[in-house]
Parts: sequence; C-alpha cells; structure tokens
Amino acid sequence: GENVEQHPSTLSVQEGDSAVIKCTYSDSASNYFPWYKQELGKGPQLIIDIRSNVGEKKDQRIAVTLNKTAKHFSLHITETQPEDSAVYFCAAWDNDMRFGAGTRLTVKP
Amino acid sequence: NAGVTQTPKFQVLKTGQSMTLQCAQDMNHEYMSWYRQDPGMGLRLIHYSVGAGITDQGEVPNGYNVSRSTTEDFPLRLLSAAPSQTSVYFCASSRASGSYNEQFFGPGTRLTVL
Repeated sequence: GENVEQHPSTLSVQEGDSAVIKCTYSDSASNYFPWYKQELGKGPQLIIDIRSNVGEKKDQRIAVTLNKTAKHFSLHITETQPEDSAVYFCAAWDNDMRFGAGTRLTVKP
Repeated sequence: NAGVTQTPKFQVLKTGQSMTLQCAQDMNHEYMSWYRQDPGMGLRLIHYSVGAGITDQGEVPNGYNVSRSTTEDFPLRLLSAAPSQTSVYFCASSRASGSYNEQFFGPGTRLTVL
C-alpha cells in the first residue's frame, strides 16, 4: 500500500517568514494530494489540494507543488501569521487516503 | 448544515468493555470513513463505506466493527476494548469515493482505555 513520509515534524518560523513542508509518497498510482490543517481540539480541515496532472497550485498565501517523477510534493506558506500555527498533514490518495505523520508549525509573533 | 458530528467527545473505558462511537453527517455524502490519530503517526484508516449497506476494511481494522444502515450514520464499535485502542478517533465524509473528493472531518472522540 501507499506510504507517505512527511518532514519536518516540527517547524518554527518568525511571523512574516515563509514555511515549507515536504512529503514523499511511494505508490506511483496515487493521483490526488490534499493538505489538511488541524487546529488544537479540532478535526483536520482541507486547505489546498493538487491533482497528479498539475505541477503547482496557489491559493493566496498557500501553494502546493508536485513532482511526479520524484514522487514528492510540498506545501509553501508565505508571509506567515500567528494564526497559521497548527499541525499540517499531507496525504495521498490511491485506493484510499494515506496521511503523513504531521508537521507542527509554530509562527512566533 | 451541521456537517459531520461525533459523540461522545471524550470516553474512558476499562479493558474488555464495549462501546459505540457515533458519527452522523447531514450533507448526503456517500463516502464515510473512520480514522484513528496517534502521536507521531498521522491518521490511519480503520474502516470505510462507499454507501449504505457497503463497508470495507482500511489499514488498521482489527478490533473494530462498522455498519452503514443509512446514508447519514456510520457507527464504529469496539467489542472488547484494549489499551492499544487509546487514541483520538475521527469520522469523515465526502460526496463520493475516489480521489478529488474533499473529505470533511468531525471534531473527534478522545478515547482512553485503562
């Protein structure tokens, strides 16, 4: 089955800086790669996703890039704000959804 | 819409006890699933359902049962709880199975098995 690895496990940045989280996947048949944000005490919420036929997607301060050849994808957050502090999960869909272990992002004011 | 609701929010069980975690959605979604979240391991799929009357196993199904008698409800049953089942459980739903369908998660149930 699919195996998704995510790093770093923790990331601390100053407000206004950029944050990058990287994931790799093992199954070349995976074709959908969502990113979720989980705030304390809540369920994960989709923030951006990308399909396998697209190399990059942006939504305001958030962007995701996908390299199918290398089987890795990344989340980029620019101009970080304290409210971006949360745990972020990447995932890959083949026959079902497989998640990375998560990255705890802290944005220091 | 209430979205995906889960009850209870917290539960403490003794080893060997049974219980049912409730999950309901009001979005008329066909696909529903259960995940467990453990520190450092992300979310792992327990069971899923592609529609009423249809269920299947995910990555970590042992010790759990599910049924899907209606589109709205997807309960998760622990028949004989074990300390290894201490975790946070999330129910999720999406419009259909397959990729490109956003999954909506409930708020979670924190379960402790003593």
